[in-house]
Amino acid sequence: EDQVTQSPEALRLQEGESSSLNCSYTVSGLRGLFWYRQDPGKGPEFLFTLYSAGEEKEKERLKATLTKKESFLHITAPKPEDSATYLCAVQDNAGKSTFGDGTTLTVKP
Amino acid sequence: DTAVSQTPKYLVTQMGNDKSIKCEQNLGHDTMYWYKQDSKKFLKIMFSYNNKELIINETVPNRFSPKSPDKAHLNLHINSLELGDSAVYFCASSHAPGQGTDTQYFGPGTRLTVL
Repeated sequence: EDQVTQSPEALRLQEGESSSLNCSYTVSGLRGLFWYRQDPGKGPEFLFTLYSAGEEKEKERLKATLTKKESFLHITAPKPEDSATYLCAVQDNAGKSTFGDGTTLTVKP
Repeated sequence: DTAVSQTPKYLVTQMGNDKSIKCEQNLGHDTMYWYKQDSKKFLKIMFSYNNKELIINETVPNRFSPKSPDKAHLNLHINSLELGDSAVYFCASSHAPGQGTDTQYFGPGTRLTVL
């Protein structure tokens, strides 16, 4: 069975303090690894898709990387508006997506 | 211009009742999904339909029955509601597996509370 484990469960940062979120996974044939952002009371919002080990993608202060066992979401110089829950998901070759429990990020001004 | 919409946004009902949640997407996607997010924020897939056909059916009680009248709509009907059904239910859509990006676009969620 596919599994996704995210750490830490919660992360509190000062504005400007860079850090990384981890997503460890096991999957029977990786079609893609996805990062989403979820704000309270809203649906997950797509951030990145990574398809193969070594791939990296960037968007503003966020950078996602992928290895064969894990993915990292690096946040550089975060701002309070980056506060949200970040979800990682893997999709297997059958098209089924498995989500992690998420990391709740709080950025203090 | 909402891409994936769900109704209602909130649903409060008594145990034993039957209720439905509706979902519509205007993205032209072939595949739609229902997810359940519990109080611990864990998002778990329930069903997936591709072009009105069921392709993923996780271990979900028979009281839950999805219905797809066309590929832009996927409704979820729940019979004999139980306290444990209280959660936020998300609808999502994507291109069909293997046909373009598999990115899923989520609706705003329906918060179901069973009393």
